[in-house]
Amino acid sequence: EIVLTQSPATLSLSPGERATLSCRASQSVNTYLAWYQQKPGQAPRLLIHDASNRATGIPARFSGSGSGTDFTLTISSLEPEDFAVYYCQERISWPPGITFGGGTKVEIK
Amino acid sequence: QVHLVESGGGLVKPGGSLRLSCAASGFTFNDYYMSWIRQAPGKGLEWVSYISSSGLTIYYADSVKGRFTISRDSARNSLDLQINSLRAEDTALYYCARVRTVAGSYYMDVWGNGTTVTVSS
Repeated sequence: EIVLTQSPATLSLSPGERATLSCRASQSVNTYLAWYQQKPGQAPRLLIHDASNRATGIPARFSGSGSGTDFTLTISSLEPEDFAVYYCQERISWPPGITFGGGTKVEIK
Repeated sequence: QVHLVESGGGLVKPGGSLRLSCAASGFTFNDYYMSWIRQAPGKGLEWVSYISSSGLTIYYADSVKGRFTISRDSARNSLDLQINSLRAEDTALYYCARVRTVAGSYYMDVWGNGTTVTVSS
């Protein structure tokens, strides 16, 4: 069973700073990794799919990278609306399913 | 406009049942896999189940296998989740989501706002 471990659990930063979020898989997942943003009281929103492809309407300050077992979501310069919880997600081939990481909360310092 | 609207949540006693529904609009429902994802209060996201566009391929998380049944109705553009033998740990906000399946990759590009299930005596 693939386990996705996100770090850090909490990231305290100021607006304008760069955020680097990590997602590590317990075994290789090719580049089938997605990232989501969730704000309080809202549904998750897709940011990145296939490790590095921005979803429709997502600002260019969000970027994804990585392959195999180590993936990174980078927010180049935090805007006030970027403070939220971020989840990574992967498709599991066997047993078939989908798994999420535990999340990283990006909070205002 | 692509839209998913969940309904059917509520307060139910342990051992009880509920049927959740998700009404889809703004896209060709039959072309997409669909999924249910839940989020317990203050916790992260947990995948529950997905169903293929044809309805022939269905998978469940181990935590709900044998108790939950996912189905879809192309005539109503609706995704359903029958949840039986409810436990306290099933208490969560249940999201319906559209699944994009591209060359082995599965990700959820459209989400509803969720419906709340509370299991308590």
